[in-house]
Amino acid sequence: GAVVSQHPSWVICKSGTSVKIECRSLDFQATTMFWYRQFPKQSLMLMATSNEGSKATYEQGVEKDKFLINHASLTLSTLTVTSAHPEDSSFYICSAIRILASEQFFGPGTRLTVL
Amino acid sequence: GENVEQHPSTLSVQEGDSAVIKCTYSDSASNYFPWYKQELGKRPQLIIDIRSNVGEKKDQRIAVTLNKTAKHFSLHITETQPEDSAVYFCAASGAGSYQLTFGKGTKLSVIP
Repeated sequence: GAVVSQHPSWVICKSGTSVKIECRSLDFQATTMFWYRQFPKQSLMLMATSNEGSKATYEQGVEKDKFLINHASLTLSTLTVTSAHPEDSSFYICSAIRILASEQFFGPGTRLTVL
Repeated sequence: GENVEQHPSTLSVQEGDSAVIKCTYSDSASNYFPWYKQELGKRPQLIIDIRSNVGEKKDQRIAVTLNKTAKHFSLHITETQPEDSAVYFCAASGAGSYQLTFGKGTKLSVIP
C-alpha cells in the first residue's frame, strides 16, 4: 500500500515560536494533500487542502497566516504553525491522494505541545 | 457543505456479538463513503469503503451498507473481538472533490 510519513512525530515548543511539520508520500506521487487537526477525543477537522504548485485552500475559521502550507513537490507538503500558542496544541495529521485515485492515505500524525 | 452525523458516540458489546454504527450525510452529491478505525495516538486506518453505485460491500467480518435515497450508511462488524476496540469514523466525499467530511466518531469497546 501507499506510505505517507510525517516528521516530527512529536514536538514540544515554547509559546511564540514556529514549528514546521513535514508530510511526505514515500512511494507515490500525490497531487493533493490534506492537513487535519484532531483535539483529544474529537474527530478529524480538515484545516486545508494543499495542491502541488498552487496556494493551499483553507477551511473556514482556519487562519492562513498562522498555518502556512507549502506543497513544494508531488511528494512533500509542509505545515508551519507560526507564533504557536498553547491552544494550538493538538494532533496534526496529513493525508495524501494518489494521482487518479480517491483513497486518502494518512500520515502517522504529529503531536504538538505548546508550553 | 457536507454534514455527517454518526451514532452512537459510544458502543459496548460482548465479545462475539455484532456491532453496528450508523451515519447520515446531507449532500446528495456525495459518492464515496469510507470507514476508518483509529487507535489511540495513531493514524486512521481505512477498513472498508463503498461508492454510491453499490448498495453493500463485505470484507470478512466487516460490511458496509449504503442507502442513497435515505442518505445513510452503516458499518457492521460481526463476531467482534477485543482487538476491534477502537474509535471508528465514517466519512463522505462528493463528486469532483476528494475532501472528506468526518463523523464525530464512535468509541467501540469489546468486552472479553
